[in-house]
Formats: sequence, structure tokens, C-alpha cells
Amino acid sequence: TQLLEQSPQFLSIQEGENLTVYCNSSSVFSSLQWYRQEPGEGPVLLVTVVTGGEVKKLKRLTFQFGDARKDSSLHITAAQPGDTGLYLCAGGETSGSRLTFGEGTQLTVNP
Amino acid sequence: NAGVTQTPKFQVLKTGQSMTLQCAQDMNHEYMSWYRQDPGMGLRLIHYSVGAGITDQGEVPNGYNVSRSTTEDFPLRLLSAAPSQTSVYFCASSYLGLAGVETQYFGPGTRLLVL
Repeated sequence: TQLLEQSPQFLSIQEGENLTVYCNSSSVFSSLQWYRQEPGEGPVLLVTVVTGGEVKKLKRLTFQFGDARKDSSLHITAAQPGDTGLYLCAGGETSGSRLTFGEGTQLTVNP
Repeated sequence: NAGVTQTPKFQVLKTGQSMTLQCAQDMNHEYMSWYRQDPGMGLRLIHYSVGAGITDQGEVPNGYNVSRSTTEDFPLRLLSAAPSQTSVYFCASSYLGLAGVETQYFGPGTRLLVL
């Protein structure tokens, strides 16, 4: 089983600050997904990246897949309280294989 | 569409009791999965199914059974509950999109406490 390590595990910032969350592995993934989970709910898919070096933007969120497809980052610009939640990365090893989830980063954005 | 629904939302069991967690989806997805989520451990796969009549074990299958008689339903059975099974359980349905990438849709979860 390939492992995905997320850092930091916890992050508490003030509204308006920027932040970056990392997802790292020693193994290569064919795809990398980011999910956000709010309290009392299930995770919701934010983005999927499949090409090494790929960058995707979703409003104030920027996702990047490492060139070697072993790591990914999520950058949030001007964080808002509505960004609070648990951010999970998930890697797909090969086409159709089961996803491997990281432990998650708990983000709190204080007003 | 209701998406993925799970019942019950909360459950308290005594050690040794059995119960079934229900999961249903109305998106006609072939794939369905059960995960448990514990603090600091992310989502761990218990069992999954790639179609009606087909199931397979995930990372942590011990103490759990599943069956998939229809595309829509994927119940998870706890045979003899143990305190170590206290967790939040998520059901997900999914499909394979472009390049074989799996996109998962999660239910709202069942919070289980075993005393």
C-alpha cells in the first residue's frame, strides 16, 4: 500500500492570510485528488490532477501536481472562514485502482 | 438526485451486538466503498464493490461483512461489535472517468459508538 503524508496536520490562521498544504509520497501516483470535508459531512471532491507539473485553479485555491507525480500542494490565497475544514489528498496508483487517502490537514480560518 | 444516503446517522452498541449500516445511491454508479475515519488516520478502506454480486476486501476488513445484491445498495454488517470499531463510517459511490480516474461521492456518514 502506497502512503500519502500530509503536512501540516493542523493549521490555524487569520482571515486574509495565505497558506499551503502539502501531500507527499515516495511512490508515483497516476492521479491525485483533493477533497474537503466539513464537520458532520462526507468529503467532497475539489479537483483531480493527472499530469506531472499540472496546475489547476479553483477561485482562490491553486492545486499543483509534482513533476514526478509523487507530491501535490494546495495553496489558498486570502483565506476566509468558509475555507475551514479537513483537506484530504487521495492518490490513484493505476487506472481503476483503489484510492489511497492521506491523513488530512485540519484548517481553521479565524475571522 | 439524493446522491449517497446512509442510515442511521448515529448508533450506540454494546460489545458483542451486531448491526447493519445501510448505504444507497441513485447515481447508477458501478463502484461502491465503505471507509472508516478515525482521528489522525484519514480514511481507511474496509470493503468495496465493482458491481452487483462482486465484493472485495480493503485495508481493514476484519469484523465486517458486505454484500451487493443490487447496484443501488451496499450494506455493511458488523458481526460482533467491539470498542475498536468505534468510528465514523462513510459510504461512497464512484465511477471511472477520463484516464481511469475514480471520482468518489460520499454519504454523510454514520457515527458509531461501541461501549
